[in-house]
Amino acid sequence: DAKTTQPPSMDCAEGRAANLPCNHSTISGNEYVYWYRQIHSQGPQYIIHGLKNNETNEMASLIITEDRKSSTLILPHATLRDTAVYYCIVRVAGAGSYQLTFGKGTKLSVIP
Amino acid sequence: KAGVTQTPRYLIKTRGQQVTLSCSPISGHRSVSWYQQTPGQGLQFLFEYFSETQRNKGNFPGRFSGRQFSNSRSEMNVSTLELGDSALYLCASSLERSSGANVLTFGAGSRLTVL
Repeated sequence: DAKTTQPPSMDCAEGRAANLPCNHSTISGNEYVYWYRQIHSQGPQYIIHGLKNNETNEMASLIITEDRKSSTLILPHATLRDTAVYYCIVRVAGAGSYQLTFGKGTKLSVIP
Repeated sequence: KAGVTQTPRYLIKTRGQQVTLSCSPISGHRSVSWYQQTPGQGLQFLFEYFSETQRNKGNFPGRFSGRQFSNSRSEMNVSTLELGDSALYLCASSLERSSGANVLTFGAGSRLTVL
């Protein structure tokens, strides 16, 4: 799996957009970018994934650079409940793609 | 739609004992994965089962084992418990896709404390 690099921590004011970066410069053409988050002492929660194109769902947007070497997760209007550790993971698709490698992630603190 | 259910949520054991944890996946999900989370090592993959067969295994000693039943429910067992086995054990289930991304849905975890 491609290695990912994320900042250890970030702060964001409540109501503002939170932009969480992730570098994955060694990503392969068949690897997806996944984002999960973990609120303290709970199981990780899936947020979004993408391959090449930008993606948006009800939780967030994912912006992937054209060379696919980095991506940004955007929470458009952060709330206190978005305070969590956010993990960026790259993994191949298909069978055998359940062995996710979680790094240390980014601890996002949403400030009132 | 019920989520991934893990039991028990909390348990305390002593060194040398064994423990069995249970996971009921989302209905229709046939893949079940197990992860261990500790403060020092973070989230680490233990193993993954599909159709009662272990397909992938992480780098853990043989004291860690698992199985999956015909209804996709899974159990993991840790024998001869050590203090370092104290952790949050997470189960995740997923639909099987032959191509495309696979999304894992995690349970709330079983927190094991070894004294």
